[in-house]
Amino acid sequence: DAKTTQPTSMDCAEGRAANLPCNHSTISGNEYVYWYRQIHSQGPQYIIHGLKNNETNEMASLIITEDRKSSTLILPHATLRDTAVYYCIVSAYSGAGSYQLTFGKGTKLSVIP
Amino acid sequence: NAGVTQTPKFQVLKTGQSMTLQCAQDMNHNSMYWYRQDPGMGLRLIYYSASEGTTDKGEVPNGYNVSRLNKREFSLRLESAAPSQTSVYFCASSEGKNRGRYGYTFGSGTRLTVV
Repeated sequence: DAKTTQPTSMDCAEGRAANLPCNHSTISGNEYVYWYRQIHSQGPQYIIHGLKNNETNEMASLIITEDRKSSTLILPHATLRDTAVYYCIVSAYSGAGSYQLTFGKGTKLSVIP
Repeated sequence: NAGVTQTPKFQVLKTGQSMTLQCAQDMNHNSMYWYRQDPGMGLRLIYYSASEGTTDKGEVPNGYNVSRLNKREFSLRLESAAPSQTSVYFCASSEGKNRGRYGYTFGSGTRLTVV
């Protein structure tokens, strides 16, 4: 699976949009981009994923560049409860009925009142 | 809906003791996973089960065994616990095929200390 690079930490003012970048320059054509977050010491929570088109759900938007070498997770109106570690992961379907996610250290997002 | 349930939530073991961490999911997912997370680190995959009846090693399988008891349950066993296995253990499940709309669902974790 391709490796990802994320900033170690970021701050965002409450109520503003949080834009979390991720570089995945070695991504291959069949690899998806996934975003998860981990609040304090809870289990990670799925946010969103995409292949090449931009995606939006009730939690966030995912913008993937045309060359697929980077992406940005957007939380449109950050709240204090969005303070967490955010993981950007790329992974391909293994063909064996499963796919594995490899977690890096992620970006620690702090939402400031 | 319970999602993914892990037991126990906390455990202290002495070096050399054995124990089994239990995981059950009620979402009819095909695939299940065990991860460990050490302080300040990301999660590392220990073992996974793509479907009932199959298991495969992940990144850090040494010192662990797993059993996919049925579609719902996937257990992780430490045969002879070592201090290096002190960690937080997370179980997860996913639909497997077609990834599923909601990715992996994680349990709340088991905090294991080996002294």
